[in-house]
Order: sequence, then C-alpha cells, then structure tokens
Amino acid sequence: KAGVTQTPRYLIKTRGQQVTLSCSPISGHRSVSWYQQTPGQGLQFLFEYFSETQRNKGNFPGRFSGRQFSNSRSEMNVSTLELGDSALYLCASSISTDTQYFGPGTRLTVL
Amino acid sequence: SQQGEEDPQALSIQEGENATMNCSYKTSINNLQWYRQNSGRGLVHLILIRSNEREKHSGRLRVTLDTSKKSSSLLITASRAADTASYFCATAPLRWGNEKLTFGTGTRLTIIP
Repeated sequence: KAGVTQTPRYLIKTRGQQVTLSCSPISGHRSVSWYQQTPGQGLQFLFEYFSETQRNKGNFPGRFSGRQFSNSRSEMNVSTLELGDSALYLCASSISTDTQYFGPGTRLTVL
Repeated sequence: SQQGEEDPQALSIQEGENATMNCSYKTSINNLQWYRQNSGRGLVHLILIRSNEREKHSGRLRVTLDTSKKSSSLLITASRAADTASYFCATAPLRWGNEKLTFGTGTRLTIIP
C-alpha cells in the first residue's frame, strides 16, 4: 500500500496570504489528523476528520481550518498567514484506534 | 500544549551502547506510543503500549509504562548509526483514542560511529 502523501512538500508564502495543504491518507483509512510542528511549541494537534466530519479540534485560532472529502483526502487551510505559522505540518491517517501513520510533512515558510 | 516532558533533551552515545529515553505525562491515558523522526521529516511509529501493560518489546526496542508515576521509558539496545534521530512519546487520551495524540518534547539521539 502507498503511504500517506502530502502536497506540496515545501511552500513559501508572505504574511497575510492564505495557504492550502493537501493530505492523501492510506487507502482504506477514514481518519485523518493534522499536526503542527515548530521548534518552540513542538508537535501540536490541530484537528481530526473522520468520514468528512471534524471529530476533534486542538487549540488553534479559527484561521486554521480543514475539510475532508468523500474519498478521505483532506485539506488544511490557513488564512491571513503570520510569521509564527512557519512550521512543518504533518498529517496522519489511521484505520483503527491503534496506530497513526504519518506523511512526510509540508514545510511552510512565512516571510 | 505538550502533554509532558522527555528526558534527556539530547543524548549522544557510542555505537553499540544502549540508549534510554524517558517520558512523563500529565493525564490518564488509553495508550502511549513512541515515534522516531529523522531530520524534520515525517514520524515513524515504533511501538505502542496500552495503559494495562507494563512492558513491551519489539526487536531492539523495549518500552516500559508506569501509570502510577505517569511515566514511560524507551530502551534501544545495541545502538546503530541509523538510530540517530529524534524520538517522541505520544499519549492517546482515554476518551478519544489515537486520533488526538499529545506529543512530548522529544529526545534528540546521536549515535557516534
């Protein structure tokens, strides 16, 4: 099976812009979770989608949003980008309550 | 916010030696997992230990869990250069399971050839 894929792998944006990141889960996985990783805050949970519904949400402002499509692919959107949004964004998919499988991440740089 | 701390923050050992990393967490958990990350890339799942288990083995990995102390340790035996990476513990809350993991701060392990 193919692993979790994320596109794009690298992004450079400027403050005030918006960005959309994409995640394709492992075939058959219906849950997709998103995490932000920064040197200062470490790995933090953003949100989780299951069958096109957001089931869990972390403590991030409303500028961070996401959605999931019927084929389980997920997108994450960040509006009005700030310098502090520069991070590695990781998505993970799972089929059960046991293991999450992570993608390679999208590295976002905000200038 | 981080669930807990990992100790040490950084560890350098000679190839062939054993490496031990510790993780502490704050709330009751469903299970605890360990992940490896190479140079800012994706996370690789290593091992999962459930709250009712005390010890688990997988190849050169040994994980212990002490729920009374809210702590876990990861032992890597006979270390290799390829083990150089950052290691994170992650806890799954009682209610939601693994879809909402809370990660520790990580231990950066360097294996010296």
